[in-house]
Amino acid sequence: DTEVTQTPKHLVMGMTNKKSLKCEQHMGHRAMYWYKQKAKKPPELMFVYSYEKLSINESVPSRFSPECPNSSLLNLHLHALQPEDSALYLCASTRSGGDTGELFFGEGSRLTVL
Amino acid sequence: QQQVKQSPQSLIVQKGGISIINCAYENTAFDYFPWYQQFPGKGPALLIAIRPDVSEKKEGRFTISFNKSAKQFSLHIMDSQPGDSATYFCAASPSGTYKYIFGTGTRLKVLA
Repeated sequence: DTEVTQTPKHLVMGMTNKKSLKCEQHMGHRAMYWYKQKAKKPPELMFVYSYEKLSINESVPSRFSPECPNSSLLNLHLHALQPEDSALYLCASTRSGGDTGELFFGEGSRLTVL
Repeated sequence: QQQVKQSPQSLIVQKGGISIINCAYENTAFDYFPWYQQFPGKGPALLIAIRPDVSEKKEGRFTISFNKSAKQFSLHIMDSQPGDSATYFCAASPSGTYKYIFGTGTRLKVLA
């Protein structure tokens, strides 16, 4: 069982909707990540939070808004998305920021934008 | 220079055979080389990882071979099983960053 929990597992939304993806880990990890994965492609980094501060934003459109309320939680707020934003959104965490080591992934949230 | 090139794109192996997937990189700052296994509809899961101070690491049926001078590393799956059918991603990460550079993936199918 994965130790990074993502909800919801599936989400369908219209282009005018506002929704959020949630991620939780209780491993004491201090870096948390959002990745986007399209079918048959590798994960693509979107955001990194280290010690609850945004460290990396890979030029992601503003319709995606990350939030890190505390060291265990990571949210991704979605607004005015486009159909091409449909993908598997993966949350991940590592033990500490900037120290390469195991990247633990959640099972992902499958997003469909109509 | 930040790329990790992975081959083959797809691989079909008979049950009991050896599956071999190769990756190559350019950036000498990479110091962590993991392999991830991903089943359909699931997130990637770490299979095995290596650092450049060793040339080989084995965990059960899975072995990473690492050639620092050639800047190449490979995954060997011995006695491949139908349950190993999945997509495999190699990755590399430079020291002191949050960046994990993924290869393009290999879809492995093991025939029963």
